Amino acid sequence: GESVGLHLPTLSVQEGDNSIINCAYSNSASDYFIWYKQESGKGPQFIIDIRSNMDKRQGQRVTVLLNKTVKHLSLQIAATQPGDSAVYFCADSQGGSEKLVFGKGTKLTVNP
Amino acid sequence: DAGITQSPRHKVTETGTPVTLRCHQTENHRYMYWYRQDPGHGLRLIHYSYGVKDTDKGEVSDGYSVSRSKTEDFLLTLESATSSQTSVYFCAISESESQYFGPGTRLTVL
Repeated sequence: GESVGLHLPTLSVQEGDNSIINCAYSNSASDYFIWYKQESGKGPQFIIDIRSNMDKRQGQRVTVLLNKTVKHLSLQIAATQPGDSAVYFCADSQGGSEKLVFGKGTKLTVNP
Repeated sequence: DAGITQSPRHKVTETGTPVTLRCHQTENHRYMYWYRQDPGHGLRLIHYSYGVKDTDKGEVSDGYSVSRSKTEDFLLTLESATSSQTSVYFCAISESESQYFGPGTRLTVL
């Protein structure tokens, strides 16, 4: 069945460094992907999305890369700040489906 | 925050009691969702709604029921709460293909 997972459950970086959070997906028919950020005690917050007809999409300090060949998704955060400390997880869907499949998340810790 | 509120934000109840959680949205979105989030499991879909009185089951629907009598409100009911239903519950709405989440309800069943 479908599954979305993450390579690393935790990631610790120094303030100012770039962070890379990875995600693998198994459904080759998935065509829409989202990254969420979840701070402690809060609901998931939409960060950025990408469709399968794109390889890269940039936002403010964030970039999502999609490699359909190996079914891999990554989130890059530039100049990581303490406020970026949170759990990040990806989700995917297929063919305009309203249902998303969520990964378990990677906890990012930014050290001052 | 996509105009989503959840109530209550925290609740402690006893096994066997009924519990209803409310999700309210202000932006007339057609799709609404209920998820639960547990350590090691990520977000799991309980039920969702695609319109007034139109609902369907998600992957973990056993022990839960939902109702949507008007566009803005989506209710999740635990008819007889069990300790395994201790969790954080999130409501979400769908805009295009993206989903936006409410602040969550922390439910503890003793």
